[in-house]
Amino acid sequence: SQTIHQWPATLVQPVGSPLSLECTVEGTSNPNLYWYRQAAGRGLQLLFYSVGIGQISSEVPQNLSASRPQDRQFILSSKKLLLSDSGFYLCAWSVGQLGEQYFGPGTRLTVT
Amino acid sequence: AQTVTQSQPEMSVQEAETVTLSCTYDTSESDYYLFWYKQPPSRQMILVIRQEAYKQQNATENRFSVNFQKAAKSFSLKISDSQLGDAAMYFCAYRGGNQFYFGTGTSLTVIP
Repeated sequence: SQTIHQWPATLVQPVGSPLSLECTVEGTSNPNLYWYRQAAGRGLQLLFYSVGIGQISSEVPQNLSASRPQDRQFILSSKKLLLSDSGFYLCAWSVGQLGEQYFGPGTRLTVT
Repeated sequence: AQTVTQSQPEMSVQEAETVTLSCTYDTSESDYYLFWYKQPPSRQMILVIRQEAYKQQNATENRFSVNFQKAAKSFSLKISDSQLGDAAMYFCAYRGGNQFYFGTGTSLTVIP
């Protein structure tokens, strides 16, 4: 069966520090991968999605970047965090152009 | 551009009663998928139900059912025999190609 992992679960970082969040999927090949951000009590904002290794589409201009070094690994990064980067970050995957999206457990990021 | 609208930020229902959450969407596509996701306080996104646009029959999953009106671009979720565990944020989502579009969510309270 397919599973999706995200780490860390919780992170507190000072403004200006770097960020690296990792997401891995098991049990499937060539998944579409997604990074979302969710502010408290709000909806999901799509940040990046990837349909293959090295293929990244950015939806929102910001100081974040994403990379996909392996088929089932998706990394969200920042060189310098801003206070506005605080939020709940969700990784998700889907297969092909059919069906639903499955989500990881999320990372709660607080920038102080 | 595809948009998903949930016009009810908050809803409440008595335990064992029925509640309907509303969702409308905008698209020019003829083939697509629609979903309802549940996000409990743990913030894990859980798929509740899915609907394929080419299917006229409304999807049902145990106590959860949808009313899919393709011409009206409406996709409501009905929860029957509401339980305390149904209390959560509910998100309506549309899939077009590789991208998913989410509504802003409806917070459901279940009153014992």
